[in-house]
Amino acid sequence: KAGVTQTPRYLIKTRGQQVTLSCSPISGHRSVSWYQQTPGQGLQFLFEYFSETQRNKGNFPGRFSGRQFSNSRSEMNVSTLELGDSALYLCASSSLAGQPQHFGDGTRLSIL
Amino acid sequence: QKEVEQNSGPLSVPEGAIASLNCTYSDRGSQSFFWYRQYSGKSPELIMSIYSNGDKEDGRFTAQLNKASQYVSLLIRDSQPSDSATYLCAVIRGGGADGLTFGKGTHLIIQP
Repeated sequence: KAGVTQTPRYLIKTRGQQVTLSCSPISGHRSVSWYQQTPGQGLQFLFEYFSETQRNKGNFPGRFSGRQFSNSRSEMNVSTLELGDSALYLCASSSLAGQPQHFGDGTRLSIL
Repeated sequence: QKEVEQNSGPLSVPEGAIASLNCTYSDRGSQSFFWYRQYSGKSPELIMSIYSNGDKEDGRFTAQLNKASQYVSLLIRDSQPSDSATYLCAVIRGGGADGLTFGKGTHLIIQP
């Protein structure tokens, strides 16, 4: 069974640009969550999607947004990039809320 | 008070000994508890999940949950150098509403 797939693996952007990250969950998983990992703050929850609906959102500014498609694939968008947005962005999928989440390899975003 | 707390370490354990990792959480309504292992430069990998008080064993790993005291622990028996990694404790609060809340992780070093 294929795992969670995230693309691209690495991205370099400059301040003010926007970026879109993609995540394909494990087959059959309908819940997709996004996390940001930085050395200082650790892993922080961004948002969760289930059946194309955002169920929950973490404490991040509105520049961070996402969506989920009917095939459960999800995208995350960050607009007006700031230096502090440099991080590893991780996507995780689970069959249902509360069930174990399995992570993809992540997208490492660097802002210059 | 941090929501999920772990000793950052490093925790150094001789090869073959038992490694004991601890985690406390603040939300009494938390329902689901997970341990993830993260190697440097890699994404978190699910090791154990536990939902009810007591012990849960899986191979060399044992997770322990005490909801009254609000702590979760992970024991690794017969520690191997390949167990050297950062171990992340994660909690889902009641209803699975807010995604995973992670501790900062404990850096474990197994000394050959």
